[in-house]
Amino acid sequence: NAGVTQTPKFRVLKTGQSMTLLCAQDMNHEYMYWYRQDPGMGLRLIHYSVGEGTTAKGEVPDGYNVSRLKKQNFLLGLESAAPSQTSVYFCASSYRRQVQETQYFGPGTRLLVL
Amino acid sequence: GQQLNQSPQSMFIQEGEDVSMNCTSSSIFNTWLWYKQDPGEGPVLLIALYKAGELTSNGRLTAQFGITRKDSFLNISASIPSDVGIYFCAGRPPGGSQGNLIFGKGTKLSVKP
Repeated sequence: NAGVTQTPKFRVLKTGQSMTLLCAQDMNHEYMYWYRQDPGMGLRLIHYSVGEGTTAKGEVPDGYNVSRLKKQNFLLGLESAAPSQTSVYFCASSYRRQVQETQYFGPGTRLLVL
Repeated sequence: GQQLNQSPQSMFIQEGEDVSMNCTSSSIFNTWLWYKQDPGEGPVLLIALYKAGELTSNGRLTAQFGITRKDSFLNISASIPSDVGIYFCAGRPPGGSQGNLIFGKGTKLSVKP
């Protein structure tokens, strides 16, 4: 049981390049989330998904797209990377939201945009 | 949007000392969660709180859900070097369009050996 995994662990992009970050979970969780973490800013929600085939915007969605074609996978895409997207990206998953829902995080993807 | 004020931002303590940190908000929350993040890792859940006034312990860690539902605190007793890391509080507001977690900016804990 690997929990939440993320690939790649680290990536360097040039401005304007595109890439996709992959998140996978083997806990059969319905909900999945993508966050970004910047120094002094805590974790901010980019997009989330409440189930296969559904996605929704979070707090900071601009410049990102997501897809949830399979229940266990949640993809985060950057179509045209910008230096402002240099950050650490975390994926999280949880069971269907209820009072006692808690989120489990992956190890993170460190992205540097030059 | 809603924000959480987490304090202190950072602290240095002597090994063996007790530590206290807290989160406050101007609006109420239904859930409070406390996470720890080690360098280069993702956040790991420490304690979850679901009822106002609830006091929960996890080993040397104790957290409480404030009676007003607008705050929560985390205490660490007899700190050790492995307590080093960043501690985040997270709260879930009631209802709303998403009910997603809102995170504090973290408390960076450093322990002097």
